Amino acid sequence: RKEVEQDPGPFNVPEGATVAFNCTYSNSASQSFFWYRQDCRKEPKLLMSVYSSGNEDGRFTAQLNRASQYISLLIRDSKLSDSATYLCVVNTASQAGTALIFGKGTTLSVSS
Amino acid sequence: GAVVSQHPSRVICKSGTSVKIECRSLDFQATTMFWYRQFPKQSLMLMATSNEGSKATYEQGVEKDKFLINHASLTLSTLTVTSAHPEDSSFYICSARSMETSGGGAYNEQFFGPGTRLTVL
Repeated sequence: RKEVEQDPGPFNVPEGATVAFNCTYSNSASQSFFWYRQDCRKEPKLLMSVYSSGNEDGRFTAQLNRASQYISLLIRDSKLSDSATYLCVVNTASQAGTALIFGKGTTLSVSS
Repeated sequence: GAVVSQHPSRVICKSGTSVKIECRSLDFQATTMFWYRQFPKQSLMLMATSNEGSKATYEQGVEKDKFLINHASLTLSTLTVTSAHPEDSSFYICSARSMETSGGGAYNEQFFGPGTRLTVL
């Protein structure tokens, strides 16, 4: 089983739509959770951290369910500029301690 | 935010040559740097973790003799792909970790370089 699993999509939505991405992780000892955004042929950039209580940043809402080992990202009122790949990321055990482990990413395409 | 640079941004080389990629933290000291690799339409895969002044720790399945990592200072780590072959063609991304505190707790934030696209002919 992969450490971080996401539905790869693509999700094709019109401007203004609400879209939700889901992610599951395998290591129950993982401590920190994030959503990153990656544009084509670029490095990933931190979108937001994910907290157990849920957190919101403008049009973006992230939630974490530790019992289910499940993370979600909700994007409201989608913009054309939201088109990108969204990476679910977990800070979890690596050979050297802890490191960010990435899901494969979910591709979002927002059209006018 | 903190800035991490990588050089070169793109390299094309012949099979059998070695390629060195540099990763620098420009405005902070990074005791730990990470090297990732991303194949097309795949996730970033952690290759190794390097701590300043010590040997790198490689993830399972990554050949340490092929991917040489040096982390000689708090602001510089290098990855050398030795005797590169076409299957090594990939997007190599480094990241550097800083320590910050937030809400009374401590967390490590990783900052990513812009990546190096390697093409081996």
